[in-house]
Amino acid sequence: GESVGLHLPTLSVQEGDNSIINCAYSNSASDYFIWYKQESGKGPQFIIDIRSNMDKRQGQRVTVLLNKTVKHLSLQIAATQPGDSAVYFCAENRLKTSSGSARQLTFGSGTQLTVLP
Amino acid sequence: DAGVIQSPRHEVTEMGQEVTLRCKPISGHDYLFWYRQTMMRGLELLIYFNNNVPIDDSGMPEDRFSAKMPNASFSTLKIQPSEPRDSAVYFCASSLDSSNQPQHFGDGTRLSIL
Repeated sequence: GESVGLHLPTLSVQEGDNSIINCAYSNSASDYFIWYKQESGKGPQFIIDIRSNMDKRQGQRVTVLLNKTVKHLSLQIAATQPGDSAVYFCAENRLKTSSGSARQLTFGSGTQLTVLP
Repeated sequence: DAGVIQSPRHEVTEMGQEVTLRCKPISGHDYLFWYRQTMMRGLELLIYFNNNVPIDDSGMPEDRFSAKMPNASFSTLKIQPSEPRDSAVYFCASSLDSSNQPQHFGDGTRLSIL
């Protein structure tokens, strides 16, 4: 079936290095994508989003890249800090064809990012 | 600004008991979502509302689960009777719209059914 998935379940980086977290999606009809950060004991926190009419979007220390040709999404974190340690989820927003015009946010399984001192 | 507020943060109860989880969305958000998160299945959408009306409840696992939104600032998710397999973290989220705005999550209710 269609799914949003992640290439790697865990990622360890040295403090100060850049991090790249990848995500693959399979539904070409998806038109809106979101990255979330989830720390232990907390809910997913919005980081950055991107619409399908864009291929790159930048925020504060974060950049999201969207490659629609290969259905790939990535989150780049510059100068990774200890506070960046968390699970990162990508999510795709698409029409749920079985429910008329209802849209559904489908989450990937998450990548655990660990920042090493 | 206040985010999505959920209560209780933790709930431990015996199987067979009724459980009620509560959510206050961000003011002005027209959409409210209930999710369940487990290690095995990740984040799953249970149900969502638009302007207090349930739009899609296909993710609700069984008839033991029900959700209501009596007004724009309050929603409940009820499990009756509860079972051990319902143990999970339940999140509520809200958004301005369903297609081009991010959902903002509360910190969840960690539910343990003994």
